[in-house]
Amino acid sequence: GEDVEQSLFLSVREGDSSVINCTYTDSSSTYLYWYKQEPGAGLQLLTYIFSNMDMKQDQRLTVLLNKKDKHLSLRIADTQTGDSAIYFCADSGGYSSASKIIFGSGTRLSIRP
Amino acid sequence: SQTIHQWPATLVQPVGSPLSLECTVEGTSNPNLYWYRQAAGRGLQLLFYSVGIGQISSEVPQNLSASRPQDRQFILSSKKLLLSDSGFYLCAGAGSGNTEAFFGQGTRLTVV
Repeated sequence: GEDVEQSLFLSVREGDSSVINCTYTDSSSTYLYWYKQEPGAGLQLLTYIFSNMDMKQDQRLTVLLNKKDKHLSLRIADTQTGDSAIYFCADSGGYSSASKIIFGSGTRLSIRP
Repeated sequence: SQTIHQWPATLVQPVGSPLSLECTVEGTSNPNLYWYRQAAGRGLQLLFYSVGIGQISSEVPQNLSASRPQDRQFILSSKKLLLSDSGFYLCAGAGSGNTEAFFGQGTRLTVV
């Protein structure tokens, strides 16, 4: 079945760039998403990328998609303490109304001074 | 804009008691709806999804069930809760083509 994988932890110094990686298995994925979850809260959509794109930039966030390798990354420039959270990668299987949205296990990003 | 309302925010229930969590959607018609569970320190596990009224797909065998009595209403239920049902439950919805999935604020369930 479909699977989405991420590393569990990432620690970066404040002001550096953070790069969170994700791999997925569903070759029919249409949309790929990045969500942020702060402690005790629900999920906030950060950005998403359509599968025919290879890059999307939105202020400090840059998403890179390598469809051949089924690899997605999220780069956060100038990482701040407010960026501490769990980041989830997710993929949606296609145009079919029956498509599922599958999440990775989440990457906990911690910021050190 | 699309909004998911999910309640209650927190719930403490004894083992063996029933459960009903409700989720309603505003701002879109005929959404795909999802229930996820997040166990402590873990990722999101898809429990159920629905593409229309009365249409429920179950992803994992478990003690829970889901129903969709109306287009914008999705209910997660159990007849008898287990300790292992404790977790953070999130309802999500997505419009046609899943261009964006939007989430409720979640329900933290503790079974004691």
